[in-house]
Amino acid sequence: EAQVTQNPRYLITVTGKKLTVTCSQNMNHEYMSWYRQDPGLGLRQIYYSMNVEVTDKGDVPEGYKVSRKEKRNFPLILESPSPNQTSLYFCASSPAMTVNIQYFGAGTRLSVL
Amino acid sequence: GDSVTQMEGPVTLSEEAFLTINCTYTATGYPSLFWYVQYPGEGLQLLLKATKADDKGSNKGFEATYRKETTSFHLEKGSVQVSDSAVYFCALSDRDRGSTLGRLYFGRGTQLTVWP
Repeated sequence: EAQVTQNPRYLITVTGKKLTVTCSQNMNHEYMSWYRQDPGLGLRQIYYSMNVEVTDKGDVPEGYKVSRKEKRNFPLILESPSPNQTSLYFCASSPAMTVNIQYFGAGTRLSVL
Repeated sequence: GDSVTQMEGPVTLSEEAFLTINCTYTATGYPSLFWYVQYPGEGLQLLLKATKADDKGSNKGFEATYRKETTSFHLEKGSVQVSDSAVYFCALSDRDRGSTLGRLYFGRGTQLTVWP
């Protein structure tokens, strides 16, 4: 089954404790992206990647890191999480030629205390 | 810059009522327009799209027409069902933006609740 898989689905952590949210897709898509969803703000793009070893900042990259060492994986790293990073996070992927038709994971709800 | 404005929610309707969710956009190029839907506990999924002026996208009884003269892409359904309860996002992709080619810009989302 074609899918985008995020882990974990739920995470509670404390300020300053490094964490990684994993994202994996099995569709051989070149393009991958991370979004955060906050009430009243909709979806905002954090980082995106057009292919392996190619990443770029979205609208709200501060406090986040990403890597794209393999085509299928695009982890989101919070080196020192803060409470304002409490949010619902989505990973998405698409073929390079149709990046406006994206396939989303089920989301990761993160709480930073 | 490119942006999308959606009507504020939440929208609450009875089953079989008519639905309209307004969406207007601002773009410098020739955007493609989309509606994505997010069912409870799930990620977003594409509902319908239109790639040029006067195109009508349709899927699952939902329709939206790309109106360049009013810069709008309103979502409509003639008779909603309880299973349509979800958050609906209007989105824009401007094809003339170099390294951001095809990047999606989302509206804030509109929560729809349909009661039996």
